[in-house]
Amino acid sequence: NAGVMQNPRHLVRRRGQEARLRCSPMKGHSHVYWYRQLPEEGLKFMVYLQKENIIDESGMPKERFSAEFPKEGPSILRIQQVVRGDSAAYFCASSPLRTGRAGTDTQYFGPGTRLTVL
Amino acid sequence: GENVEQHPSTLSVQEGDSAVIKCTYSDSASNYFPWYKQELGKRPQLIIDIRSNVGEKKDQRIAVTLNKTAKHFSLHITETQPEDSAVYFCAASLNSGGSNYKLTFGKGTLLTVNP
Repeated sequence: NAGVMQNPRHLVRRRGQEARLRCSPMKGHSHVYWYRQLPEEGLKFMVYLQKENIIDESGMPKERFSAEFPKEGPSILRIQQVVRGDSAAYFCASSPLRTGRAGTDTQYFGPGTRLTVL
Repeated sequence: GENVEQHPSTLSVQEGDSAVIKCTYSDSASNYFPWYKQELGKRPQLIIDIRSNVGEKKDQRIAVTLNKTAKHFSLHITETQPEDSAVYFCAASLNSGGSNYKLTFGKGTLLTVNP
């Protein structure tokens, strides 16, 4: 059973460009979460998505950031007009999450995308 | 919102010794507390978790304890080995809509096990 996949693993962008980060959840998982990790910091929740639905985006900046999880294909985290402060590791996690079933909300993380903004 | 404090930020032990990492949380409604291990440049991996209906959980050399009254939980690693060296993160979440999806992480503890 393949784990959570993310690509690219490393992404370099110049200020003002767009960054697109992709996440494919584990097989059988229909819930995706995005976290951002700044150097020497813990992970910060950004957004929680189910297929074609954004459930909670309370941790995502209101401007320039957007996320989607289409019916087909990976989840995408999109950052428009990147700035140096966007440089971080972005991790995706997934879970099967069957509400009410203990343990099904355990989150499994992908290897991350390290974004560097020049 | 929830706030999680983690101590110490760095911990160095000799191989075979025990290591203890402590976390406190602010929201008394939090009821799920996972611990993740992250090796340099790698993904965070779940090593153990505990829910608020139990006070202690063990898995081989790893144990987690939870004190709901004091709002703190701890990770205990016994008989440490060099391969235990990594950054360890605690997290807390409260149940929202029937699930614990919004993890709030501590800042991490860099554990170094010296041979």
